[in-house]
Amino acid sequence: SQTIHQWPATLVQPVGSPLSLECTVEGTSNPNLYWYRQAAGRGLQLLFYSVGIGQISSEVPQNLSASRPQDRQFILSSKKLLLSDSGFYLCAWTPGTGGTEAFFGQGTRLTVV
Amino acid sequence: AQKITQTQPGMFVQEKEAVTLDCTYDTSDPSYGLFWYKQPSSGEMIFLIYQGSYDQQNATEGRYSLNFQKARKSANLVISASQLGDSAMYFCAMREGYNNNDMRFGAGTRLTVKP
Repeated sequence: SQTIHQWPATLVQPVGSPLSLECTVEGTSNPNLYWYRQAAGRGLQLLFYSVGIGQISSEVPQNLSASRPQDRQFILSSKKLLLSDSGFYLCAWTPGTGGTEAFFGQGTRLTVV
Repeated sequence: AQKITQTQPGMFVQEKEAVTLDCTYDTSDPSYGLFWYKQPSSGEMIFLIYQGSYDQQNATEGRYSLNFQKARKSANLVISASQLGDSAMYFCAMREGYNNNDMRFGAGTRLTVKP
């Protein structure tokens, strides 16, 4: 069966520090991968999605970036965090063939102080 | 433009009663999928129900049903016989096109079930 792993679960980082959140999927190949951000009490904002290795689409201009070094690995990064980067980050995947629901990781709660 | 609209920031329902959570969407693509997710306080996203744009019947999954009105572009979630454990955030989402790769979410509705 397919599983998605996202870590860390919680993170407190100072302003200006770098960020690296990792997401991996097991049990499937060539998934579509997504990073979402959820501000407190708000909806999900699509940040990045990827349909294959090295292929990243960015939805919102910001100081975050994403990379997909391997088929089932998706990384969210920042060189210098801002206070406004605080939020709940969710990684998700869908089958490459499309048409079905997205499966989400457990999320990372990031607090920038 | 907002693709998914959930106009109810918060809803209350008495335990054992039914509740409808509203969702309207905007697309010009004839092929799309509509989804509902539940997010409890733990933060995990739990898939509830799916409706395809070409599906003739309204989707049902246990106590969840989707009232799909294509002409009105609405996809309301109906929860029957509410339980205390149903208290959570509920999100409506859409994927456009058969093989489109981005899933858009509404702002969510916080449902509180009262004993």
